Amino acid sequence: QQQVKQSPQSLIVQKGGISIINCAYENTAFDYFPWYQQFPGKGPALLIAIRPDVSEKKEGRFTISFNKSAKQFSLHIMDSQPGDSATYFCAARVKRGAQKLVFGQGTRLTINP
Amino acid sequence: GAVVSQHPSRVICKSGTSVKIECRSLDFQATTMFWYRQFPKQSLMLMATSNEGSKATYEQGVEKDKFLINHASLTLSTLTVTSAHPEDSSFYICSATTPKNIQYFGAGTRLSVL
Repeated sequence: QQQVKQSPQSLIVQKGGISIINCAYENTAFDYFPWYQQFPGKGPALLIAIRPDVSEKKEGRFTISFNKSAKQFSLHIMDSQPGDSATYFCAARVKRGAQKLVFGQGTRLTINP
Repeated sequence: GAVVSQHPSRVICKSGTSVKIECRSLDFQATTMFWYRQFPKQSLMLMATSNEGSKATYEQGVEKDKFLINHASLTLSTLTVTSAHPEDSSFYICSATTPKNIQYFGAGTRLSVL
């Protein structure tokens, strides 16, 4: 079954802290795992992405950790800032056909100043 | 990243009218575009996959006669909500796939049907 489960549903972190969002998938039909950031009333913006042959990818304050055997991946936001307050979606791209994205349920992140 | 333009950003219409939403890839050619619907505080729900020059593929439960999709060129796809009713009010978002198969999203269209 093509599903991506995301947790937590909401997260509150103090400014300067580390925000961690987790996702898990159930099959191996995916070949690419992006994270999107969405502000209210806007479309999702690609934040960072990883392929399954890599265990970690870092871009600035954002890091993806990928555990292929456990079928889990997570987003870490270091030194979280109030401007990071948004909804974050993990996704997995289907290998074949139209290569659709399967989205997680989303995490509403609030960074308290 | 690549730029996807979606227009209009907001539309208010009367029940029974049709509304057209445009999605353009500005700096790349997109062989595939996707249309999503998003309800408040929920994830994105894929409605259909649009390929240039061919008929759109709709997800299960999406009425193809209600949501008409036209992918006229490699940079333009349109979604027409026909005979809109209040239950069609939602946030509609398009995305376009680059030649490297990375999806970039438009800014979304807030549709309100009175």
